[in-house]
Amino acid sequence: GENVEQHPSTLSVQEGDSAVIKCTYSDSASNYFPWYKQELGKRPQLIIDIRSNVGEKKDQRIAVTLNKTAKHFSLHITETQPEDSAVYFCAARPSREGNTGKLIFGQGTTLQVKP
Amino acid sequence: GAVVSQHPSWVICKSGTSVKIECRSLDFQATTMFWYRQFPKQSLMLMATSNEGSKATYEQGVEKDKFLINHASLTLSTLTVTSAHPEDSSFYICSARVEGSTEAFFGQGTRLTVV
Repeated sequence: GENVEQHPSTLSVQEGDSAVIKCTYSDSASNYFPWYKQELGKRPQLIIDIRSNVGEKKDQRIAVTLNKTAKHFSLHITETQPEDSAVYFCAARPSREGNTGKLIFGQGTTLQVKP
Repeated sequence: GAVVSQHPSWVICKSGTSVKIECRSLDFQATTMFWYRQFPKQSLMLMATSNEGSKATYEQGVEKDKFLINHASLTLSTLTVTSAHPEDSSFYICSARVEGSTEAFFGQGTRLTVV
């Protein structure tokens, strides 16, 4: 089955700097890759996602890139702010699960943005 | 966006008792819902896929007799932790996907503490 690896596990940056989180997946048939932000004790919130037929997607300060050949995708946050501090999870959806929406999550990255 | 409501938000129970957690899609119908378990500072581990009107599909290593899932209607799935033990203490989160959409919406989670 699908396996998703996420790095780094923790990331500390200065306010205004950029942050990059990387994920790799094992199932080449996976076709959907969302990123979630989770604050302590709260539900995960979708921040950006990308489908396998797209190489890059951007939404204001957040961007995601996908390299299907290498089976990895990355989250880029520019001009970080203290409120970006949270745990970020990447996920992959195996295409054979396309009708159900099953997601396999990475291990998570705790991002700390220092003022 | 679509709203998924989970109840209760937290529960404390005695070892050996059973606890039921509800997951409701408030403004859409969900033929499929997912149940995840999250330990502190760890990722979301998929436990099972809940299918309306049929048996749930459990992930490898998840005891189906211990974690009973019932998806009796298009808006409600329940997870019952039977004969709970302290090691079952965790954060349980459900999610659902709107038909035709790729995005998964999460409930607010249930913090289970078994004493």
